Amino acid sequence: EAGVAQSPRYKIIEKRQSVAFWCNPISGHATLYWYQQILGQGPKLLIQFQNNGVVDDSQLPKDRFSAERLKGVDSTLKIQPAKLEDSAVYLCASSLNIYTQYFGPGTRLTVL
Amino acid sequence: AQSVTQLDSHVSVSEGTPVLLRCNYSSSYSPSLFWYVQHPNKGLQLLLKYTSAATLVKGINGFEAEFKKSETSFHLTKPSAHMSDAAEYFCVVSDNYGQNFVFGPGTRLSVLP
Repeated sequence: EAGVAQSPRYKIIEKRQSVAFWCNPISGHATLYWYQQILGQGPKLLIQFQNNGVVDDSQLPKDRFSAERLKGVDSTLKIQPAKLEDSAVYLCASSLNIYTQYFGPGTRLTVL
Repeated sequence: AQSVTQLDSHVSVSEGTPVLLRCNYSSSYSPSLFWYVQHPNKGLQLLLKYTSAATLVKGINGFEAEFKKSETSFHLTKPSAHMSDAAEYFCVVSDNYGQNFVFGPGTRLSVLP
């Protein structure tokens, strides 16, 4: 069974630029999550989708971050414009039930 | 609101000795609790989960955790550490509807030969 796929794996941008990350969950997993993991900290949930509807986006900085999950499968997370403090690893996870999440390898973003 | 405290940022044990990683949580409702492990340059992996069934939960690789409501704790243990257990461990709390996931800050486990 293929795991959660994410791309790109690494991205370096200047502050105020835009960036987008892509996630392909495990086939059949209805729930998809995006997390931000700053170096030395635990992951922070940014947004949770159930199929293509948003379940929780309470910690998503909506002035600069956006996410969508078209057709209830793939998802993209966008940052526009990026700030220095957005430097982090962005993790995507998916789940079939409400308890077990499967994580992708993450995208490491560096904002200069 | 929910929160997780992992009492030790770094734990160091010798190979073959017991492991104890401590976790305390705060939750407004009956929680679900999880331990995830993150090996260097690898993705997060679920070790075990508590979802209001048995309070002693067994996971993969010989790990187990006990839910103690009176102490609001969910400590992770293993009788005998292996070198391969060296990693970052995260305690996670959620509500019982699969929402409001909050990760703790993590505990780095080092295993000495």
